[in-house]
Amino acid sequence: DTEVTQTPKHLVMGMTNKKSLKCEQHMGHRAMYWYKQKAKKPPELMFVYSYEKLSINESVPSRFSPECPNSSLLNLHLHALQPEDSALYLCASSQDTGTGREQFFGPGTRLTVL
Amino acid sequence: QQQVKQSPQSLIVQKGGISIINCAYENTAFDYFPWYQQFPGKGPALLIAIRPDVSEKKEGRFTISFNKSAKQFSLHIMDSQPGDSATYFCAASWGGSEKLVFGKGTKLTVNP
Repeated sequence: DTEVTQTPKHLVMGMTNKKSLKCEQHMGHRAMYWYKQKAKKPPELMFVYSYEKLSINESVPSRFSPECPNSSLLNLHLHALQPEDSALYLCASSQDTGTGREQFFGPGTRLTVL
Repeated sequence: QQQVKQSPQSLIVQKGGISIINCAYENTAFDYFPWYQQFPGKGPALLIAIRPDVSEKKEGRFTISFNKSAKQFSLHIMDSQPGDSATYFCAASWGGSEKLVFGKGTKLTVNP
């Protein structure tokens, strides 16, 4: 299995809702990433987990809460989001962290905040 | 210093032609340079990557040319096909870093 899966594919939520995005990989990778991508822009790194521990938080607002329950799963919990948080949320994984480690991206979750 | 400048922003090429996308960087600590291809509604997929000890790397119709002294690298797509129409991102990373610095992207359109 050489893919990263993400659910749901699409999500519409109100500003008072709580929802979660899910990412899964079965490649034995020990690093997992959350990115946010706005239309016609490159992906922006949000969080990095290395060996199930949070290693990077790119000053992301607390309304985004990541969780890594095990080495194959990565969640992003969403609460009290703003309309400007509408974007494509991408999960990625790599064998390990460090330069040259190929990052495999999932198809993304298209999030719309009303 | 952590920027990667990518050009052009958009590119239109005829089928069978050569597509060329350029990237430039300032940080000499960068030592890994991947190119990603992204189709609408999909996640980026790694196309090809190069390290600074190599001046060129070819995989099928895709070639990276790397000029260390000029701090530039480019993607060449030979015999471009309509199926190559996508957005291409160059990126760079430095030793031990978990981060990729992305260029702003190039939207490639290959006309039949």
